[in-house]
Amino acid sequence: GQQLNQSPQSMFIQEGEDVSMNCTSSSIFNTWLWYKQDPGEGPVLLIALYKAGELTSNGRLTAQFGITRKDSFLNISASIPSDVGIYFCAGPNAGGTSYGKLTFGQGTILTVHP
Amino acid sequence: NAGVTQTPKFQVLKTGQSMTLQCAQDMNHNSMYWYRQDPGMGLRLIYYSASEGTTDKGEVPNGYNVSRLNKREFSLRLESAAPSQTSVYFCASLRTGMGQPQHFGDGTRLSIL
Repeated sequence: GQQLNQSPQSMFIQEGEDVSMNCTSSSIFNTWLWYKQDPGEGPVLLIALYKAGELTSNGRLTAQFGITRKDSFLNISASIPSDVGIYFCAGPNAGGTSYGKLTFGQGTILTVHP
Repeated sequence: NAGVTQTPKFQVLKTGQSMTLQCAQDMNHNSMYWYRQDPGMGLRLIYYSASEGTTDKGEVPNGYNVSRLNKREFSLRLESAAPSQTSVYFCASLRTGMGQPQHFGDGTRLSIL
């Protein structure tokens, strides 16, 4: 089946630093979704990307849909302590009967030191 | 607007016990999903329901059963719990359409001793 490889697996940064993470796949995705999971809660959608080359921002977050359609990137600028959490990339399973099923990356655990 | 509500939030079971995890959504979504989350493995799909009255296996269905009780509710049952089923379980729902984002509940933390 489809797999998403997310890196890095974890990051330890100082408050104020910028963060970059990415997600790659061996197959083409038509949509990329980025979720954040706060400790003890469920994932919440940050950004959705629907077109190759698309660059979308949400506050200090910027995500890009790779031109090859096999990768996506998420950047966080000027990190703050509340950015702590697990960041997941996700994309829809291939096939006309996917019924909205998603494949998730393994997650990037972000720790921000004040 | 509550979104996706899961109950209970925490549960401890003994091996061999059974229990049902409840999920309800108030967004009039057609599709609902059950995932488990284990360290370093992301979210893995257990079962899903594309629409009311239908259910299908996901990536890791063994040891689980589901019921789509109505459009709002989708329950996950462990008939005979095993320690390998210790995990955090998430329910999600989706309105319709390829590539649309799923909306998640806050999870049920299940420990099986």
